[in-house]
Amino acid sequence: GEQVEQRPPHLSVREGDSAVIICTYTDPNSYYFFWYKQEPGAGLQLLMKVFSSTEINEGQGFTVLLNKKDKQLSLNLTAAHPGDSAVYFCAVSGPLLSGSFNKLTFGAGTRLAVCP
Amino acid sequence: EAAVTQSPRNKVTVTGGNVTLSCRQTNSHNYMYWYRQDTGHGLRLIHYSYGAGNLQIGDVPDGYKATRTTQEDFFLLLELASPSQTSLYFCASSDELGNQDTQYFGPGTRLLVL
Repeated sequence: GEQVEQRPPHLSVREGDSAVIICTYTDPNSYYFFWYKQEPGAGLQLLMKVFSSTEINEGQGFTVLLNKKDKQLSLNLTAAHPGDSAVYFCAVSGPLLSGSFNKLTFGAGTRLAVCP
Repeated sequence: EAAVTQSPRNKVTVTGGNVTLSCRQTNSHNYMYWYRQDTGHGLRLIHYSYGAGNLQIGDVPDGYKATRTTQEDFFLLLELASPSQTSLYFCASSDELGNQDTQYFGPGTRLLVL
């Protein structure tokens, strides 16, 4: 089945610096790709959903890049601030119209600390 | 925005105990999911359902049962709890098959099995 490797497991940056988290997946037919943010004591909050290859998607203070050729998904927080401190998870759905399409495989998470 | 609630938020039981975790969603989503979250593993899917009375086995189902009584309610049952089931449990819901939408997550239930 699908496997998702997420790195690094821990990341500490200074306020204003960028932070990059990378996920590598194994199934080339995976269809949807997600980034979630988990703040302490809370559930997972969706940051972005993408499915187009090699597309840069810009959110509020972050950029998501999907490279289907290399089976890699990245999250780049530009100019991080203390409010970005959280655990970030990537997730990958199964192939379209497959039995695993509505199932997500998650990375192990990255704990990000942004220091003032 | 979809609302997913879980109860209880915290639970302590003993080995061999019987535990039921509850999840309710109020956005008429067909799909509901139970995950456990453990350090170093991210979220792992236990069971999921695509409608009342339906149950699908996830990736780590051993030791867990689940039941979907209505479109809104999905329960996770641990009939003989073990310390290895100490974890943070999340429920989620999403829209229909073929329109894979965001999975909306509840706030989580922290379970401790002594």
